[in-house]
Amino acid sequence: GENVEQHPSTLSVQEGDSAVIKCTYSDSASNYFPWYKQELGKGPQLIIDIRSNVGEKKDQRIAVTLNKTAKHFSLHITETQPEDSAVYFCAASWFSGGYNKLIFGAGTRLAVHP
Amino acid sequence: NAGVTQTPKFQVLKTGQSMTLQCAQDMNHEYMSWYRQDPGMGLRLIHYSVGAGITDQGEVPNGYNVSRSTTEDFPLRLLSAAPSQTSVYFCASSRRDPHLYGYTFGSGTRLTVV
Repeated sequence: GENVEQHPSTLSVQEGDSAVIKCTYSDSASNYFPWYKQELGKGPQLIIDIRSNVGEKKDQRIAVTLNKTAKHFSLHITETQPEDSAVYFCAASWFSGGYNKLIFGAGTRLAVHP
Repeated sequence: NAGVTQTPKFQVLKTGQSMTLQCAQDMNHEYMSWYRQDPGMGLRLIHYSVGAGITDQGEVPNGYNVSRSTTEDFPLRLLSAAPSQTSVYFCASSRRDPHLYGYTFGSGTRLTVV
């Protein structure tokens, strides 16, 4: 079945620095890769996504890149701020049992220090 | 517009007890899912529904039942609680295909089984 590995599990940066989180997936047929941000005590929130026909997508300070050949995708956060502190999850779509499922990575806890 | 509402937020059960986790959405989303979140394991799909009257199993369905009598509600039933079901449970909804529209998650139910 599909597997998504996410690294690192924890990441600590100084305010203003960049943060990069990387994920790899196993099913070459996966074609949708969302990223979710989960703040303490809340549910995950979709922050950006990318589809397999696009190599990079940007939204203000966040960007996602996709390398289909290597089967990995990354989240880039520039000019980090304390409010970026949260757990980030990547996911990859996987078609099984008649519908598209989302397989999630284990998460990265990002801490941005003032 | 409340989004996805989950109740209760916290629950402690004794082994063998049964209970129902409630989930309601007011966005007229066809697609609803239940996930559990465990440390270091990301989010794992328990059950899902693609519309009223239609449900199916996800990755970890054992010990859980669901029903979807209306578009708005998707309750998750624990038949005989076990300590292994201690987890945080998230309900999510989407338009027809979550790999086109992404998920909206509720704020979660933290369940402890003693």
